[in-house]
Amino acid sequence: ILNVEQSPQSLHVQEGDSTNFTCSFPSSNFYALHWYRWETAKSPEALFVMTLNGDEKKKGRISATLNTKEGYSYLYIKGSQPEDSATYLCAFPQAGTALIFGKGTTLSVSS
Amino acid sequence: DSGVTQTPKHLITATGQRVTLRCSPRSGDLSVYWYQQSLDQGLQFLIQYYNGEERAKGNILERFSAQQFPDLHSELNLSSLELGDSALYFCASSLLGGTGELFFGEGSRLTVL
Repeated sequence: ILNVEQSPQSLHVQEGDSTNFTCSFPSSNFYALHWYRWETAKSPEALFVMTLNGDEKKKGRISATLNTKEGYSYLYIKGSQPEDSATYLCAFPQAGTALIFGKGTTLSVSS
Repeated sequence: DSGVTQTPKHLITATGQRVTLRCSPRSGDLSVYWYQQSLDQGLQFLIQYYNGEERAKGNILERFSAQQFPDLHSELNLSSLELGDSALYFCASSLLGGTGELFFGEGSRLTVL
């Protein structure tokens, strides 16, 4: 099973700070790159599914970029709020099908 | 509400026993995934089905098996349970394979005593 690496493992920021996380994935045989948000005591929910090199997606204060040639994606959160506290997961479909998740970046935002 | 239903939500059983976890995918979704989340671990991929057929297999133990039925619901069977099998088991569904977003159920919390 391929490796999907995320960094940092955890992050603590103050309300209003902007932050970003990294997801690294195999650059060969690219199909898609997924980002999910996982709040405590809830289930993961999809943020973005990105399929094209150079793709940029945005949802409110959260955005993501994709570089398939070098195998990385960044997730940005602008002006973090306490409700952004969650674990952010990226996932890569192995052989185009089995979605393999990274271990996630846990974000904690203090007010 | 994701539209994915998992039962039971909680299950407590003893070592050596067998349990079955059930998942009903979102209406119209053909693909079902099973994941295991143990303490301090991320989501570990177990197995994927697409329209009734096994599509991909992860690090699923031989004591575990799964199937997807003609009505597209899926069951994960865990046998000869060990303490280490205690975990949160998630089912997720998607319309497509790896390029479609996953919709997760609320999970089944298994405790093996």
